[in-house]
Amino acid sequence: DAGVTQSPTHLIKTRGQHVTLRCSPISGHKSVSWYQQVLGQGPQFIFQYYEKEERGRGNFPDRFSARQFPNYSSELNVNALLLGDSALYLCASSLEGRQETQYFGPGTRLLVL
Amino acid sequence: QKEVEQDPGPLSVPEGAIVSLNCTYSNSAFQYFMWYRQYSRKGPELLMYTYSSGNKEDGRFTAQVDKSSKYISLFIRDSQPSDSATYLCAMSVVRLQGAQKLVFGQGTRLTINP
Repeated sequence: DAGVTQSPTHLIKTRGQHVTLRCSPISGHKSVSWYQQVLGQGPQFIFQYYEKEERGRGNFPDRFSARQFPNYSSELNVNALLLGDSALYLCASSLEGRQETQYFGPGTRLLVL
Repeated sequence: QKEVEQDPGPLSVPEGAIVSLNCTYSNSAFQYFMWYRQYSRKGPELLMYTYSSGNKEDGRFTAQVDKSSKYISLFIRDSQPSDSATYLCAMSVVRLQGAQKLVFGQGTRLTINP
């Protein structure tokens, strides 16, 4: 079975631009979470979605938004990019109620110049 | 104070050594405890998870949770060069509703020398 997939793998943007990152969960997983991992730090929670509904949001500005589609794939959007948004963006999927078994994708590495 | 503290290392040991990785936490509501392994430029890979205090063993890996001390450990026996990676501890509050988010430590960078 395929694991969590993310696209693109790498992205270079300039300040003020907008970016859209995509995630496809493991087949059968309806819950998708997004995390931001800055170099040298552990991942930080951004959003969780289940059945297209937002379940929770971390301490990130409104420039960050996300949505989940009927096939349970998800998009993370970031507007008005700042240099500090440069990071590895990780998507994780899990079965409902199984937060102890969240499986991560390879991530999208975003560089903002 | 961060909710989860983890020594970033780096930690370097010879092949075959027993490795001990540790995290402390401040939120007594945490009930799920996970260890992830992350190779350079890759996503985190789930190694083990535990729900209660005590030990859980899986091959060369043993996870230990001491809720009274708010302290968790991962032991790696007979360490191999392929174990060289960053190890992340993660914790979660049990939630039936609302966000089921993971709170991560900073990660410990481990190198096993042949």
